[in-house]
Amino acid sequence: QSVLTQPPSVSAAPGQKVTISCSGTTSNIGNNYVSWYQQVPGPAPKLLIYENNKRPSGIPDRFSGSKSGTSATLGITGLQTGDEADYYCGTWDSSLSAVVFGGGTRLTVL
Amino acid sequence: QLQLQESGSGVVKPSETLSLTCTVSGGSMNISFYYWSWIRQPPGKGLEWIANIYYTGSTHYNPSLKSRVSISVDTSKSQFSLRLSSVTAADTAVYYCARRSYTASFFPWGQGTLVTVSS
Repeated sequence: QSVLTQPPSVSAAPGQKVTISCSGTTSNIGNNYVSWYQQVPGPAPKLLIYENNKRPSGIPDRFSGSKSGTSATLGITGLQTGDEADYYCGTWDSSLSAVVFGGGTRLTVL
Repeated sequence: QLQLQESGSGVVKPSETLSLTCTVSGGSMNISFYYWSWIRQPPGKGLEWIANIYYTGSTHYNPSLKSRVSISVDTSKSQFSLRLSSVTAADTAVYYCARRSYTASFFPWGQGTLVTVSS
């Protein structure tokens, strides 16, 4: 059981928008920065969002991040088949004194 | 462009010690506000942070693994290493090394190396 809670799967049609939620507590999301990762089958995870809503160089603005209270959300607009992947949220947990991740969300682009 | 590459034993026997090394290229390890980390992913499962080390040698371990884990750094070789003792089948995973920011984001990542615990 992961410390951060994500839906196991989401799906949407090409061109549409999808959001992926990540729920935590005041010990983690509520008081720390959230990051998001994309993992297509095979390669290592890729950083999509850091410090709640910042995109690394090279990440298109179709990807966005937000945080409110003890939850964070990853948004993806203009869905493409290449966006099919597993998405993970992560943050620091002050109570556990550890970096924690969500269980991952499988995105299917129908 | 900073790159990380894992190397080490691909198969480890139960109760023995897993040893991995991460080689950093394209940048210095002696950099403030960044940590050098290990993360693992069991087959078909999610990510688990294992440990990180600062270039000064200061370490931080996941409490769930702390009794079995050791991380070290050799900045002269641009390498940092992981040792996990008393392994069981539950330690079978892809092990990644990555650079961690002080705000707990990981970038870049190594390509990962599969370690299988099997007799």
